[in-house]
This record gives sequence, C-alpha cells and structure tokens, in this order.
Amino acid sequence: DTEVTQTPKHLVMGMTNKKSLKCEQHMGHRAMYWYKQKAKKPPELMFVYSYEKLSINESVPSRFSPECPNSSLLNLHLHALQPEDSALYLCASSHPGQTYGYTFGSGTRLTVV
Amino acid sequence: ILNVEQSPQSLHVQEGDSTNFTCSFPSSNFYALHWYRWETAKSPEALFVMTLNGDEKKKGRISATLNTKEGYSYLYIKGSQPEDSATYLCASLANNDMRFGAGTRLTVKP
Repeated sequence: DTEVTQTPKHLVMGMTNKKSLKCEQHMGHRAMYWYKQKAKKPPELMFVYSYEKLSINESVPSRFSPECPNSSLLNLHLHALQPEDSALYLCASSHPGQTYGYTFGSGTRLTVV
Repeated sequence: ILNVEQSPQSLHVQEGDSTNFTCSFPSSNFYALHWYRWETAKSPEALFVMTLNGDEKKKGRISATLNTKEGYSYLYIKGSQPEDSATYLCASLANNDMRFGAGTRLTVKP
C-alpha cells in the first residue's frame, strides 16, 4: 500500500458543529503532517507528528485539535470553526528527516457555513 | 527572499514544446528542496528531493537543477504532453521548517 487515504473528501459544517478529518497510511512512515491550503496559495503547515508525538504546532488556533492514535492514523478534530477556515486540508506522511519526499493524500475540501 | 516563490504562476504551452519554470527560496540554512506534481482532484506526487548544490535529477522527460548558493531551482519538461498538465509545487526545507511555493500551473494543449 503506497497511499495516504483521507476521509471525507468533502465536508460542509456549521460554525457550531464538531467534526473530524481522518488520515491513514500503511507505509510505515513515522512522520505525519497536516497542511491547510487556500486557493492559489501555498500549502501551510499546521501540525507535524513524529513517532506519534506532536513535534511542531505552527501556532494554529485551538479550534483545530490534532490526534495521532497510532503510527498509521492521524486525525484533525474541528470545533467552532469560522467561515475563513474553509480550505483544502491535506495530510502527508514521510520517513522522518524530510530529505525524503512526502506522500500526500488527496485532501478534504472543507466548507464552513 | 524570505518565502518560497515560484514563477510563472501559470503557463500554457503546445504539445511538443519544452518548458521550464523557477523556484526561488531562502539560501541561508538550506537543507533540502522538494518538487511535487499535483494533478487536479489527485494527491500531490513527489518528483524530486534535492540537497546538494549543483544537483541535477531526471525522471523521464522531467529534470531539475539546484543552486543552493543563490537559492533557486529549475524544473524542465522536454516535449510537453497533455498528461503533463498539472500544478508543479516546490518546497524548501531550512531550519527544520518546510515552506511551499504557490505552484506553477501548467496547461499543455494538444
């Protein structure tokens, strides 16, 4: 298996909802990442997990809460989001060290209404 | 340069044309440069990871060069085909911080 699987592919949620994005890989990668991308802008790093421990949190608002239950799974819990949080959320994985290319999922397109 | 910048933002070429585009990145504390190919509705796909000044990598008709002293990388596509149509992203790793450019959107017309 050489893929990163993200679910759901599309999500529409209200500002009072709680939802979760899921990311799964079975390549034995021990680094996993959440990126946020707005249209025509660079992907922006949100969180990095290395060996299931949060190693980088790029000053992301607390309404985004990551979780790494095991080496294959990465979740992003969403609560009380704002319309400006609407974006494509990409998950990626790699071997730790970043001289290895990332394997990306196809993303979750999130719309906050 | 503080951010990673890619040019042009978009490019339209005819099938069979050769083309190239640029990624500029901060040269201080450079560690690695990644290139990705991103087709619409698919996942970004890693093309190259480059670390050494003067490095050149090739995959089929696509090649890339790296100049870490001046902070740029070129991606070349020889004899473009319609299936090369995609957004090409570069990302620079420095100080344990990976930053992406906004991409170059390539459209190859048959």
